[in-house]
Amino acid sequence: GEDVEQSLFLSVREGDSSVINCTYTDSSSTYLYWYKQEPGAGLQLLTYIFSNMDMKQDQRLTVLLNKKDKHLSLRIADTQTGDSAIYFCAESYGGYNKLIFGAGTRLAVHP
Amino acid sequence: GAVVSQHPSWVICKSGTSVKIECRSLDFQATTMFWYRQFPKQSLMLMATSNEGSKATYEQGVEKDKFLINHASLTLSTLTVTSAHPEDSSFYICRLGLAGEETQYFGPGTRLLVL
Repeated sequence: GEDVEQSLFLSVREGDSSVINCTYTDSSSTYLYWYKQEPGAGLQLLTYIFSNMDMKQDQRLTVLLNKKDKHLSLRIADTQTGDSAIYFCAESYGGYNKLIFGAGTRLAVHP
Repeated sequence: GAVVSQHPSWVICKSGTSVKIECRSLDFQATTMFWYRQFPKQSLMLMATSNEGSKATYEQGVEKDKFLINHASLTLSTLTVTSAHPEDSSFYICRLGLAGEETQYFGPGTRLLVL
């Protein structure tokens, strides 16, 4: 079945760039998403990319999609302590965009 | 403003009781809603797909008799956790199913604690 995999933990220094990686299995996915979840809170949609795009940039966020390798990445430039959270990638499939989530990458930003 | 609301946001109950969680679409008519569950430090797992006017479709391993879903209108889906036990303690989140929409609307979640 559909599967989404992510590394579980990433630690970066404040001001550096963070790169969170994700692989997925469903080549027919229409959209791929990145969500942020802070402790005790719900999901916040950060950005998404349509499957026919290679790259999308939105302020400090850059999403790269390698459809051949089914690899998605999220780059956060100038990472701040407020970026510390869990980041989930998700792929959509099915007519109503059924979402499958990765396990989440816990980003820790240290001074 | 919020597109999807959930009620309650927090619930604590005794083991053996039933708990109803409401998911309400404020801006869209949603024929489909999705229910997710998230255990502490884990990812969101899809439990079921709720279809307005028909039976919900449950994911493998989710007991349909324990997690009752009712989607009687285009703006309201409810999830009832029947005879809740401590292992049902989790964060329950609903999401609107809007065809073709690149922006996904999640509810704020309901945190259930069963004592």
